[in-house]
Amino acid sequence: QVQLVQSGAEVKKPGSSVKVSCKASGGTFNTYAISWVRQAPGQGLEWMGGIIPIFGPATYAQMFQGRVTITADESTGTAYMELGSLRSEDTAVYYCASGRYFDWLLDYWGQGTLVTVSS
Amino acid sequence: QSALTQPASVSGSPGQSITISCTGTSSDVGGYNYVSWHQQHPGKAPKLMIYDVSNRPSGVSNRFSGSKSGNTASLTISGLQAEDETDYYCSSYTSTSTRVFGTGTKVTVL
Repeated sequence: QVQLVQSGAEVKKPGSSVKVSCKASGGTFNTYAISWVRQAPGQGLEWMGGIIPIFGPATYAQMFQGRVTITADESTGTAYMELGSLRSEDTAVYYCASGRYFDWLLDYWGQGTLVTVSS
Repeated sequence: QSALTQPASVSGSPGQSITISCTGTSSDVGGYNYVSWHQQHPGKAPKLMIYDVSNRPSGVSNRFSGSKSGNTASLTISGLQAEDETDYYCSSYTSTSTRVFGTGTKVTVL
């Protein structure tokens, strides 16, 4: 069973960037996909993108293309999500989730990281 | 990729059955049998309840079942219980090799 532990809450200024980490244990890191999902306060879930470490480059949802970068460090079993040009609307809980690689199934979830964007 | 359409709310009495719909297009729900459903309690991470349209992960109650017809998938909760009152989200793999969520449904147990 995969366990995902995310980095702590962040407070950022508009226009800056944030990088959230997601450390995996259990399973074989480079054989499953890691997705990032966000949830603004009181809103629904949004799939941002994902990465399959063994395959390399990440895939992104169109609405986040160009502003988000997802990477993975196989040596530490850690995935990262960096979101730039932050605005107040990016205030949300950001989750990482893992699952099989061919359809971005979201099986196991991290605890979530609250990112607050405020001047 | 537009969000899949779910009803904002569904309600039922204890012991009854309810069904939540999830409508997409032939580029997502209708094109793949990779529809899943997540349950999310307030302040908690989502929990996978159904995957591949109708499969239940180990440990999920058999009161939860899924199906699909055309571009619409459905989650049925039978024998409704107080603990089922929370939010539910569908999601689907898409033709652009991404995943898209539904708009979410709040289930109320009357």
